[in-house]
Amino acid sequence: AQSVTQLGSHVSVSEGALVLLRCNYSSSVPPYLFWYVQYPNQGLQLLLKYTSAATLVKGINGFEAEFKKSETSFHLTKPSAHMSDAAEYFCAVRVRNGQNFVFGPGTRLSVLP
Amino acid sequence: ETGVTQSPTHLIKTRGQQVTLRCSSQSGHNTVSWYQQALGQGPQFIFQYYREEENGRGNFPPRFSGLQFPNYSSELNVNALELDDSALYLCASSLAQGQGSYEQYFGPGTRLTVT
Repeated sequence: AQSVTQLGSHVSVSEGALVLLRCNYSSSVPPYLFWYVQYPNQGLQLLLKYTSAATLVKGINGFEAEFKKSETSFHLTKPSAHMSDAAEYFCAVRVRNGQNFVFGPGTRLSVLP
Repeated sequence: ETGVTQSPTHLIKTRGQQVTLRCSSQSGHNTVSWYQQALGQGPQFIFQYYREEENGRGNFPPRFSGLQFPNYSSELNVNALELDDSALYLCASSLAQGQGSYEQYFGPGTRLTVT
């Protein structure tokens, strides 16, 4: 069965600092990978996706993620945090030829002034 | 382009009651998935509908059921509500496998509270 782990349920960074949110997946074959962001009392918004093209994927709001097959990782980064980045971030995997997404438990990002 | 919409926004029910949640998919999308997100957790897959039929199901009991209509909108029905059913229910729409898109687009969710 697919699973997704996100190291760190809560990450705090200072405004302007590097953001690094970790995601590891378990899969016998490289799946499709996604990062979603959820603001309070809202649904999930797609940040970026990996679908077997370039391993470095750029998304919205300055975020990017790198797929590393050898490490089964898909960590999310942003060079400079902004106050508006404070939210819950979810990594998700979709099995090739599968219907559903499997989500990680989420990482809450706080941005300190 | 119309996004995914869900109704109602909030709902309070009593244990043992039944509830119906509704979802309208994004324009052009023919597949709808439902997820349950308990407080402080990631979304858990309930089931998916394509061509008005269930097309995959997660680890949820049969009292969770659904429908998809010819216009691709969908309903989630939960019978015999339990306290643990209190959660945010998310609907996501997408294109079917092999139709060139891999992501799902989520609605704002329905917050269900069972007392």
